[in-house]
Amino acid sequence: GAVVSQHPSRVICKSGTSVKIECRSLDFQATTMFWYRQFPKKSLMLMATSNEGSKATYEQGVEKDKFLINHASLTLSTLTVTSAHPEDSSFYICSARVGLNQETQYFGPGTRLLVL
Amino acid sequence: GNSVTQMEGPVTLSEEAFLTINCTYTATGYPSLFWYVQYPGEGLQLLLKATKADDKGSNKGFEATYRKETTSFHLEKGSVQVSDSAVYFCALAVFGNEKLTFGTGTRLTIIP
Repeated sequence: GAVVSQHPSRVICKSGTSVKIECRSLDFQATTMFWYRQFPKKSLMLMATSNEGSKATYEQGVEKDKFLINHASLTLSTLTVTSAHPEDSSFYICSARVGLNQETQYFGPGTRLLVL
Repeated sequence: GNSVTQMEGPVTLSEEAFLTINCTYTATGYPSLFWYVQYPGEGLQLLLKATKADDKGSNKGFEATYRKETTSFHLEKGSVQVSDSAVYFCALAVFGNEKLTFGTGTRLTIIP
């Protein structure tokens, strides 16, 4: 089946630094990738939709300059949390979509970010 | 707007017990409904889906029926196994909108 990886799986950083999270589709080409954020005991919240070669579409309330998304190829999207602060600590999950059906989203295992 | 409400966890059951995880929704438009499962250390996987009222989705012994009258999509399994231990997410998507709206997830632990 389709596999999506994320790297790193866990990261701890100091406040004020930037952190990059990679999302890769390992055995398929993903025209669209999604980035989600999950707080403890909360729903997955969609942050942005990323189409290869174009700018990401951010959800309302998500700071574009804070969460930089790049989707430079059909197998790689990156999320950079710039000038991270403790309130950015969370679980970040990406998914990649093949085709036009909503259900064909394949999810990565997530990245846990802790900002000290 | 769209929202999904699922029962709070964690849920702990003995092996071979009957499982129900409740899920209700509100949606603008006519949604498709999904259950995703996340096993430890892995990404979310689509477990089953239903696209219209009275449809029943099923997979791996799990079932859920799309109930429009009660806006529900409860997940059931007649006899759970230890390997079913995971976090289960109910979700919806409205036709024409590629975004998934998730519930909070329910952690299920099955003890031998």
